[in-house]
Amino acid sequence: GESVGLHLPTLSVQEGDNSIINCAYSNSASDYFIWYKQESGKGPQFIIDIRSNMDKRQGQRVTVLLNKTVKHLSLQIAATQPGDSAVYFCAENRAGGTSYGKLTFGQGTILTVHP
Amino acid sequence: NAGVTQTPKFRVLKTGQSMTLLCAQDMNHEYMYWYRQDPGMGLRLIHYSVGEGTTAKGEVPDGYNVSRLKKQNFLLGLESAAPSQTSVYFCASSYGGLGGDTQYFGPGTRLTVL
Repeated sequence: GESVGLHLPTLSVQEGDNSIINCAYSNSASDYFIWYKQESGKGPQFIIDIRSNMDKRQGQRVTVLLNKTVKHLSLQIAATQPGDSAVYFCAENRAGGTSYGKLTFGQGTILTVHP
Repeated sequence: NAGVTQTPKFRVLKTGQSMTLLCAQDMNHEYMYWYRQDPGMGLRLIHYSVGEGTTAKGEVPDGYNVSRLKKQNFLLGLESAAPSQTSVYFCASSYGGLGGDTQYFGPGTRLTVL
């Protein structure tokens, strides 16, 4: 769902720790979810996606978990590195019908990794 | 393969001036999108296009117009800029829209309206 606010949630971790970034969505008809990473001064970069017929998907050092019962999405980053410092956005996509695939973005979470 | 490119990168306008932002993609994507991003907020969809010659309104279309004369280009126009349009503008493209294809983003245009 949409969030409005000037203060983004923040997460600070030490290098090498695992990070978990959470996202709640409100549209129960959403059936495709994406995590994006946005570094300062750059556009969002695709990290990983998951469809609603799955509850877990793994990539390289990242795992996305989907809990449709409580409409919750999480991104887990293993062995977090300073280069992972960025703003992370979840986005939901209600596919099908007249909804062509429009993404609705969450407000983002700032991840800071300390060496 | 440059992906999605945007011009200009920065622009300062006075209230009432007009300008056009250009987005180009070389991935042969059918779908293209314009978003704006304001401090502390996620991206909000302004307009989108599902193919050459077609455009549609997104979440926050007022004050903007778009055109998709060529498949690879998507233009965003501001006819009479207002300070409320100060923002960072991102263009994105995707192969398809139905079923949720991944959108690829450009580097953004930072616009300031005085």
